[in-house]
Amino acid sequence: SQQGEEDPQALSIQEGENATMNCSYKTSINNLQWYRQNSGRGLVHLILIRSNEREKHSGRLRVTLDTSKKSSSLLITASRAADTASYFCATVLSGGYQKVTFGIGTKLQVIP
Amino acid sequence: NAGVTQTPKFQVLKTGQSMTLQCAQDMNHEYMSWYRQDPGMGLRLIHYSVGAGITDQGEVPNGYNVSRSTTEDFPLRLLSAAPSQTSVYFCASRPTTGANVLTFGAGSRLTVL
Repeated sequence: SQQGEEDPQALSIQEGENATMNCSYKTSINNLQWYRQNSGRGLVHLILIRSNEREKHSGRLRVTLDTSKKSSSLLITASRAADTASYFCATVLSGGYQKVTFGIGTKLQVIP
Repeated sequence: NAGVTQTPKFQVLKTGQSMTLQCAQDMNHEYMSWYRQDPGMGLRLIHYSVGAGITDQGEVPNGYNVSRSTTEDFPLRLLSAAPSQTSVYFCASRPTTGANVLTFGAGSRLTVL
């Protein structure tokens, strides 16, 4: 099974509301990353949080990491219609070749 | 600076045919990888490489071969295509030091009839 699992799998909100997505993973990580995918396109990196960090901000994005619970959350504040996309968490595993594995994603729809 | 280039963008195969998906990057990234994306399954890692001559299996390697003879190129080979390999394939690369963030190609949509 996959390393990461996002929750919820789909989320529909009104423009201006906040969107929260969660990610759980199974093994020790070096860092955790969030990516965004617009329909039919490749993924684009949003934000990275290292295993020794608990919270990180970038513009309207806030990411938290709880390594004891093996979970992370992505908060998008004051959402816009242009935020409509799928969001994926990716874990970079500790040790070895540090391969990168993804979860199943959260599909976010922001209604204008 | 082209980033990660995948070819072809679209391909239709018959069961049993072979083909190679090409991936090239011009960022001198050591790490390259292939994912497949299926509805409801997210991205699943097929194979990855951390440098020329070094490859390893991901979560779903069966039915796929890879090799890495140069830093720039990481082709994915389907030796005998099956309908279960109908998917969208993404190549991605990253450096192995510093901010190890993946850069993705635009994807290759493969249909196996």
